Amino acid sequence: QSVLTQPPSASGTPGQRVTISCSGSSSNIGNNYVYWYQQLPGTAPKLLIYRNNQRPSGVPDRFSGSKSGTSASLAISGLRSEDEADYYCAAWDHSLSGWVFGGGTKLIVL
Amino acid sequence: EVQLVESGGGLVQPGGSLRLSCAASGFTFSSYEMDWVRQAPGKGLEWVSYISSSSSTKYYADSVRGRFTISRDNAKNSLYLQMNSLRAEDTALYYCVRHAASDAFDIWGQGTMVTVSS
Repeated sequence: QSVLTQPPSASGTPGQRVTISCSGSSSNIGNNYVYWYQQLPGTAPKLLIYRNNQRPSGVPDRFSGSKSGTSASLAISGLRSEDEADYYCAAWDHSLSGWVFGGGTKLIVL
Repeated sequence: EVQLVESGGGLVQPGGSLRLSCAASGFTFSSYEMDWVRQAPGKGLEWVSYISSSSSTKYYADSVRGRFTISRDNAKNSLYLQMNSLRAEDTALYYCVRHAASDAFDIWGQGTMVTVSS
């Protein structure tokens, strides 16, 4: 059981906007930054969003992150077939003195 | 090109040991904190361990504390993970990861597979 909770799957059609949630607690999301990673099939994860809502250079502005209280969300607008991947949220947990990940959300583009 | 290349994975019996290595290139390795993250077959990501740039601070996941030891050699631009008392549940692809100033895991290696089985 992961410390951060994500839905196991999400789906949308091309052009749609989808959101993926990530729920935690005061020991992690509530008092620390949230990070999002994208893992395309058969590849290593890639940083998508850092410090709640910042995009690294090269990440399209179709991807956005937000945080409220002990929850965070990743939004993908203008969905494209190449967005089909697994998405993971992560945060530092000061009670565990370690990094925690969500269980991952498999995004399916119909 | 910024690159992390892991090696040292393989098949090991339960209770055995293995040492993973990660060769860094394309950036000033000694300036960066580093981590190991693993992914069991068909499963999600699990953070394993962290080491500061000077090796003064180390953190471990509860699942590996007391069995795994993280270390680095800045002169050799290398990160290591010594894994002892291996268990079946340690079977996973182990990623070497660069820890950016923003605390993001910004560069990932391609991973090295560790299989613990008799």
